[in-house]
Amino acid sequence: QSALTQPPSASGSLGQSVTISCTGTSSDVGGYNYVSWYQQHPGKAPKLIIYEVTRRPSGVPDRFSGSKSGNTASLTVSGLQAEDEADYYCTSDANTNGLYVFGTGTRVTV
Amino acid sequence: QVQLVQSGAGVKKPGASVKLSCEASGYIFTNYAIHWVRQAPGQRLEWMGWLNPDNGKTKYSQTFQDRLTFTRDTSASTAYMELSNLRSEDTAVYYCARGSSGWHYWGQGALITVS
Repeated sequence: QSALTQPPSASGSLGQSVTISCTGTSSDVGGYNYVSWYQQHPGKAPKLIIYEVTRRPSGVPDRFSGSKSGNTASLTVSGLQAEDEADYYCTSDANTNGLYVFGTGTRVTV
Repeated sequence: QVQLVQSGAGVKKPGASVKLSCEASGYIFTNYAIHWVRQAPGQRLEWMGWLNPDNGKTKYSQTFQDRLTFTRDTSASTAYMELSNLRSEDTAVYYCARGSSGWHYWGQGALITVS
């Protein structure tokens, strides 16, 4: 099971936007509308910020948005704030074989 | 409120086994799968497998196929993860998470050091 591919790093200034990609295959990302994104600060458990490609859990600011095109999903963080500096991981919650895999992770620097 | 509380962290010797627990509260334990995820120091999240607490069905990542066992005690709303034949590369923080569309709830993590 190969990891989903994310860029290792991304950066933006305060108030700017940053977009992170997550590339899989037609068996996972491309085949289902069940992509999730997690934010992880150092020493903390991951936190769900996007599920089902575009949905936000309650309490997550609308600065976070998700999209998908073909086998690639994307997370956009608009109006970057200092607290958005963290690692971000994608995963596909549905796939053809019941096995899950995380993305390679992207460190966002503000 | 939904909570997953983990226990069993510690230091283990190479070749030993470790059994972690994940006690669920605030929801019906058998209604949601439990996933296990680990993160070695400085590394990415790694999915290990999932357990269906209702029927005990499991699915393991091929990485751990023959060393990993998930069990549960429905009377205690607790899921367990046992990893055998520990190696130094198994040093990591281990998390449990409640499965659904998006894993909304996570345990606090349990650090296992193999040394």
